[in-house]
Amino acid sequence: NAGVTQTPKFQVLKTGQSMTLQCAQDMNHNSMYWYRQDPGMGLRLIYYSASEGTTDKGEVPNGYNVSRLNKREFSLRLESAAPSQTSVYFCASILGTGLLRNNTDTQYFGPGTRLTVL
Amino acid sequence: KQEVTQIPAALSVPEGENLVLNCSFTDSAIYNLQWFRQDPGKGLTSLLLIQSSQREQTSGRLNASLDKSSGRSTLYIAASQPGDSATYLCAVRTSGTYKYIFGTGTRLKVLA
Repeated sequence: NAGVTQTPKFQVLKTGQSMTLQCAQDMNHNSMYWYRQDPGMGLRLIYYSASEGTTDKGEVPNGYNVSRLNKREFSLRLESAAPSQTSVYFCASILGTGLLRNNTDTQYFGPGTRLTVL
Repeated sequence: KQEVTQIPAALSVPEGENLVLNCSFTDSAIYNLQWFRQDPGKGLTSLLLIQSSQREQTSGRLNASLDKSSGRSTLYIAASQPGDSATYLCAVRTSGTYKYIFGTGTRLKVLA
């Protein structure tokens, strides 16, 4: 049981390049999330997928696109990277049954991807 | 719009001290509140989750409380140890949404 995995761990891009960050979970979770973490700003939600087949914008969606490929995988794409997108990106998931159970609403995080855009 | 604040931003205490970390939120209509620990360069690890109907949760030396009416949650750490040194974050999920709003965290250092 690997939990939430993210690839790559590190990436350096030049301005204007594109790339896709991959996230997968093996816990049969329904909801998945993408966050970015910047110094002094905490974690900010980029996009989320409440269930397979749905995606919605979070606080800071501009410059990003997402795909919920299947129940396991949720990818984040930067079409034209900008220096302002230099950040650490985290993927997370919850089982989310809607039954107000602590063990099903706990959010689990991946190890993160450190992205630098030059 | 939900806003989450954590004060203080940093805290340094001697080993063995009991301490309280604070998390404030502006919209009391919450679904749940979750406390996380983050070690430098690592991802987030869940510590405790409190549903909107609960007042507190306990795990070992950790106790988290929730007061929706005042928009506050506290994380109590008993008998702190150097291994507790980390950044502690709280996240709030507002009712009717799947979105989580995070505070900026409290960086804790426990001195041996």
